[in-house]
Amino acid sequence: ETGVTQTPRHLVMGMTNKKSLKCEQHLGHNAMYWYKQSAKKPLELMFVYNFKEQTENNSVPSRFSPECPNSSHLFLHLHTLQPEDSALYLCASSQDRGQGADTQYFGPGTRLTVL
Amino acid sequence: GQNIDQPTEMTATEGAIVQINCTYQTSGFNGLFWYQQHAGEAPTFLSYNVLDGLEEKGRFSSFLSRSKGYSYLLLKELQMKDSASYLCAVMDSNYQLIWGAGTKLIIKP
Repeated sequence: ETGVTQTPRHLVMGMTNKKSLKCEQHLGHNAMYWYKQSAKKPLELMFVYNFKEQTENNSVPSRFSPECPNSSHLFLHLHTLQPEDSALYLCASSQDRGQGADTQYFGPGTRLTVL
Repeated sequence: GQNIDQPTEMTATEGAIVQINCTYQTSGFNGLFWYQQHAGEAPTFLSYNVLDGLEEKGRFSSFLSRSKGYSYLLLKELQMKDSASYLCAVMDSNYQLIWGAGTKLIIKP
């Protein structure tokens, strides 16, 4: 248990569906992240929020829409996804973005399958 | 471009020692992290190195040489539960983590 929870753990959706992934951290951190993890590939950073403000969007398609209502909660809204979006989506949090030893703590991920 | 290289897969025997290497080329350097990830689970933090040398933490040690762009993770007295993927990541000058693809470690009895 890392102090970061994600729901759902597994999600199967069609290309026309709309769904949301939820992440919650209980560590009192100020930064939260969404990553995509595909088999045998490096983690891909998608979005970064620092003190609820989005600071990075790494050229992510608009069919992925993040939301950060407060420093403890992070959502990823999904719509009109493609089969190649099937992957493990990981949420992470850290104390302060911009510090060298700022360790990221990960949730267990949502395994997403797009049919 | 920025690049992290680590072996795709390694096999070792229970009770033995294994060294997982990581080489990197990044825009700036603000430290190197090692994470462990069991199948279907979250990556968990193992170690952080920012200065050259060896950091020891129980059965696990991590080494860094900034001049060579090189690190290794050393696992001693291997146990079956050490079977996992080990991820190397470097924090660049923008404080963004650049990740390797991970090394899958298989432990055999």
